[in-house]
Amino acid sequence: AQSVAQPEDQVNVAEGNPLTVKCTYSVSGNPYLFWYVQYPNRGLQFLLKYITGDNLVKGSYGFEAEFNKSQTSFHLKKPSALVSDSALYFCAVRNTNAGKSTFGDGTTLTVKP
Amino acid sequence: NAGVTQTPKFQVLKTGQSMTLQCAQDMNHEYMSWYRQDPGMGLRLIHYSVGAGITDQGEVPNGYNVSRSTTEDFPLRLLSAAPSQTSVYFCASSTRVSGNEKLFFGSGTQLSVL
Repeated sequence: AQSVAQPEDQVNVAEGNPLTVKCTYSVSGNPYLFWYVQYPNRGLQFLLKYITGDNLVKGSYGFEAEFNKSQTSFHLKKPSALVSDSALYFCAVRNTNAGKSTFGDGTTLTVKP
Repeated sequence: NAGVTQTPKFQVLKTGQSMTLQCAQDMNHEYMSWYRQDPGMGLRLIHYSVGAGITDQGEVPNGYNVSRSTTEDFPLRLLSAAPSQTSVYFCASSTRVSGNEKLFFGSGTQLSVL
């Protein structure tokens, strides 16, 4: 069975500081890893993905994520946080069964001015 | 291009009532799925489909039924609503086409069961 863990319910950072939202996963075979963001009262939007290739992937709004196979992690990062980055972030994993993606419980990011 | 369309956006049911949440996509995606979102529990997979005529259970299938008679539509049926089914429901679709593996989500249905 595949699973995702987001160990932090909440992450608080000051505007302009770097941010990291953590994610670890478990899946058989090669992982397909994703980050999605949900703004208040909105649906979910795709941020970035890792399928294969470079371990550092870049996505929307200046976000990037680092894939670490030995630590089975896929942490989301941004060098300089904005207040508008405040939202709920979800990490997700799927294997070759493309119909079945498993999500973490989500991490609420709050960026304070 | 509408993407993934869910209806209704809001629904209030009484315990024991049945209803169908509609989901349609116009991207010719092979894969469709239903999730429920509860506070602190992320998104949990209810049912999914890898093509017309093929469905399978996710993590929390009890109390829900699905069918997929066409590529475009994937309705979710609540057979006898219970307060525990109060949640926000999201439909999603994706394709097997390499390079476009992400999920496309509908805008959600907020369901309250009294």
